[in-house]
Amino acid sequence: ETGVTQTPRHLVMGMTNKKSLKCEQHLGHNAMYWYKQSAKKPLELMFVYSLEERVENNSVPSRFSPECPNSSHLFLHLHTLQPEDSALYLCASSQDRRNTGELFFGEGSRLTVL
Amino acid sequence: AQSVTQLGSHVSVSEGALVLLRCNYSSSVPPYLFWYVQYPNQGLQLLLKYTSAATLVKGINGFEAEFKKSETSFHLTKPSAHMSDAAEYFCAVSEGPYSGGYQKVTFGTGTKLQVIP
Repeated sequence: ETGVTQTPRHLVMGMTNKKSLKCEQHLGHNAMYWYKQSAKKPLELMFVYSLEERVENNSVPSRFSPECPNSSHLFLHLHTLQPEDSALYLCASSQDRRNTGELFFGEGSRLTVL
Repeated sequence: AQSVTQLGSHVSVSEGALVLLRCNYSSSVPPYLFWYVQYPNQGLQLLLKYTSAATLVKGINGFEAEFKKSETSFHLTKPSAHMSDAAEYFCAVSEGPYSGGYQKVTFGTGTKLQVIP
């Protein structure tokens, strides 16, 4: 496999459920990101892991909990979500020796909270 | 702080017509600039990037963009639109560098391109 793979592609959950989104990158990159994409809003950076350490947490509610067990895998654990959390969640990775900012995205996980 | 403004959330062009999607940025340092494309139900894919080499950047699918420092612009163009170009396009800016390959990228709100047959 190549690139960035996200599972599941679609997820429907109730507000009391606990679920997880998974991201795997096969590019040998050492930074991974979670973005939230909602309608009519810019992409929102949620979390960044660099060398498996969290380096960015943009005031994301605690009902979202990231985990990066190694440089190839990134999880987003979800619990007691709200309907406004329904969105497309995008995972990305980067590895650029000149640090130009090119990101490689997965296809996203479409989350619907009922 | 860096920011990106994309003028026009929706743009419609006829098939075969010129495509022009506008992007203006602000950055406190020389920026790196990008255009990404997103097809329905997919993630973002890099179209092209400016990294302080040539000011006219050519990308995939016949797209190109010109970096104009005096205008703080990085508009995306394609001479002749094709039906397959219908998608959402995002302009982005990165100020880097950060250690460990970590990039702080700011995206615009996106422009949906409709191609009319």
